[in-house]
Amino acid sequence: TQLLEQSPQFLSIQEGENLTVYCNSSSVFSSLQWYRQEPGEGPVLLVTVVTGGEVKKLKRLTFQFGDARKDSSLHITAAQPGDTGLYLCAGASSGGSNYKLTFGKGTLLTVNP
Amino acid sequence: DAGVIQSPRHEVTEMGQEVTLRCKPISGHNSLFWYRQTMMRGLELLIYFNNNVPIDDSGMPEDRFSAKMPNASFSTLKIQPSEPRDSAVYFCASSFQGSNTEAFFGQGTRLTVV
Repeated sequence: TQLLEQSPQFLSIQEGENLTVYCNSSSVFSSLQWYRQEPGEGPVLLVTVVTGGEVKKLKRLTFQFGDARKDSSLHITAAQPGDTGLYLCAGASSGGSNYKLTFGKGTLLTVNP
Repeated sequence: DAGVIQSPRHEVTEMGQEVTLRCKPISGHNSLFWYRQTMMRGLELLIYFNNNVPIDDSGMPEDRFSAKMPNASFSTLKIQPSEPRDSAVYFCASSFQGSNTEAFFGQGTRLTVV
C-alpha cells in the first residue's frame, strides 16, 4: 500500500506569515498533485508536478517535487485568510494503461486576519 | 459542463437500510473514482473504473459495499446493510485517463447512519 504522510496535520497562523507543508512517501510516483478543499466542497487541483526536482509557482504558492519523486512541499508566502482550507497531496501511480490517485490526510490551514 | 454531479447531497438513514449514492461524471472523461473522507482516515480510494470497467476495488471496506458503472455517464455506490461506521462524506471524481491529469470532484454526499 502506498502511503502519503502530510505534515503538519493542523496549522494556524497570522495573516502575512510564511508557511511550508510537507508530503512524504516511501514510494515513487509518476506525478504528484496538490489539491485544496474548502468546507462542503470537493478538492480542487492546484498544481501537478512531474519531474524530480521540479519547482512550480502559482502566485504566492511554490510547489517542489523531490529529486527522487517521493516527496513534495508547498510553501505559501505572505498567507492571507483566503488561503484557509485543507491542502491535500495526491500521488499518481500507474499500472499499464490505468492509474489511480492516492491521497494524504491533508494539512488543515487556518490563516487568521 | 456542470462538472461531476453527485446525489443526494445529504443522506440520513437507519442502520440496516440500503443506501445508494449516485454519480454523473464529466462528459468525455473515461476514469471514475469513488472516495470516502473521514477525519480519522482522510480521503480513501474505494474503487475506480476505467472505460466503465472496475480496475481496482481493493479499497472497498467489505462485501456490504458494491459499485457499478453501467455506462459512461453514470455510476452508483451501494451499501447494504448500512452501519453507523459507514458515516462519512463520499466523493466521486472523474478524469480523462492519464497519470498527470486532473481529477475533478463532485460536491460529495454526506452520509449519516444512525
